[in-house]
Amino acid sequence: AQSVAQPEDQVNVAEGNPLTVKCTYSVSGNPYLFWYVQYPNRGLQFLLKYITGDNLVKGSYGFEAEFNKSQTSFHLKKPSALVSDSALYFCAVRDWGGYNKLIFGAGTRLAVHP
Amino acid sequence: SQTIHQWPATLVQPVGSPLSLECTVEGTSNPNLYWYRQAAGRGLQLLFYSVGIGQISSEVPQNLSASRPQDRQFILSSKKLLLSDSGFYLCAWRGTGGGYTFGSGTRLTVV
Repeated sequence: AQSVAQPEDQVNVAEGNPLTVKCTYSVSGNPYLFWYVQYPNRGLQFLLKYITGDNLVKGSYGFEAEFNKSQTSFHLKKPSALVSDSALYFCAVRDWGGYNKLIFGAGTRLAVHP
Repeated sequence: SQTIHQWPATLVQPVGSPLSLECTVEGTSNPNLYWYRQAAGRGLQLLFYSVGIGQISSEVPQNLSASRPQDRQFILSSKKLLLSDSGFYLCAWRGTGGGYTFGSGTRLTVV
């Protein structure tokens, strides 16, 4: 069965420092991986996706993610965090066996401190 | 361009009352549509998905139902709400490029 794990409930980073939000996955078949961000009482905003090609994926708002097949990971990164990056981040994988629905991790709350 | 609309944004309903949340998609045809629920501000649980008019699949047994009366319309309903139905409901559709777009969500509070 497909699954996604986000091992950290919360990540705290100082503004200007690099940030990493971790994600590992388990999927049968080729992994289609996604990162979404959610601000309070808002819908999910798409950040980036990996389907095929370069293992380093660049997305919105300066975020990027590195696909690592051997470690089954897809960590989200940003070189310099902003206070406005503080939000809830979700990693997701496409479920090939279930009408292509997305399976989400539990989410990681990112707090960027001034 | 493709857009997804979801309403209402917030809803407060008494226990035992009916529910109807609507989601519509513009700029695409025959989309795969999904209803998710987010409880306690964290994980997202898939409730229903639909690959076409009248075709609904349920992921988990619950007090809710879904319908797809038109190609780009997806409705989440309940005949009698329970306290446990409170949460943040999100509609989504899968685009041809492999991405998924989410609506802005409905915050449902059952009192």
